[in-house]
Amino acid sequence: EVQLLESGGGLVQPGGSLRLSCAVSGFSFSSHAMNWVRQAPGKGLEWVSVISGNGVSTYYADSVKGRSTIFRDNSKNTLYLQVNSLRAEDTAVYYCTGGRGFQVIDYWGQGTLVTVSS
Amino acid sequence: QSALTQPASVSGSPGQSITISCTGTSSDVGGYNYVSWYQQHPGRAPKLMIYDVSNRPSGISNRFSGSKSGNTASLTISGLQAEDEADYYCSSYTSSSTLVFGGGTKVTVL
Repeated sequence: EVQLLESGGGLVQPGGSLRLSCAVSGFSFSSHAMNWVRQAPGKGLEWVSVISGNGVSTYYADSVKGRSTIFRDNSKNTLYLQVNSLRAEDTAVYYCTGGRGFQVIDYWGQGTLVTVSS
Repeated sequence: QSALTQPASVSGSPGQSITISCTGTSSDVGGYNYVSWYQQHPGRAPKLMIYDVSNRPSGISNRFSGSKSGNTASLTISGLQAEDEADYYCSSYTSSSTLVFGGGTKVTVL
């Protein structure tokens, strides 16, 4: 059974930082590109970032570029997202996702809520 | 990285067919056969329904089909059922090696 279990969400003050983690099981982690996708309350899906299976290639949405880092530990089947200088507009459910390539998302976690507020 | 354009809502009666459009540009939808569609029920994570324009993952009903013409992709749901009531999102690979989603379409079964 495929499982993607996110952790690290919660309430963060504006300007703060957080690190999201995602523990993966049930598929070949190192063979899959991994993305973070977020969804603000009552809004649509927004792609955030992607990392290749070997961790060499990474890409970011303009909304988080320069203040976010995606990385992975293939020995632990775990994906991470570090986000700094958090803003109110970063408030969202963050989904950990995996795909056979950069072009599709096959697997989704249940999401972790990040709330940026003072 | 502008979002793909989808209608906000589409509705139909049980048994009918509906089509949801997804319009992008030559840098995304029109440039690659890498359009996907996702279904999301309230409070749930999205689920892949169609990938690479017209392919269904294992376990997805053949009532769901996808197509593309130029910069516009489409998802058709035939034989509409109550359980199909959900939000649907398209996505496309882009020339920047990123993904872009559509704004989402709420499907209502009358």
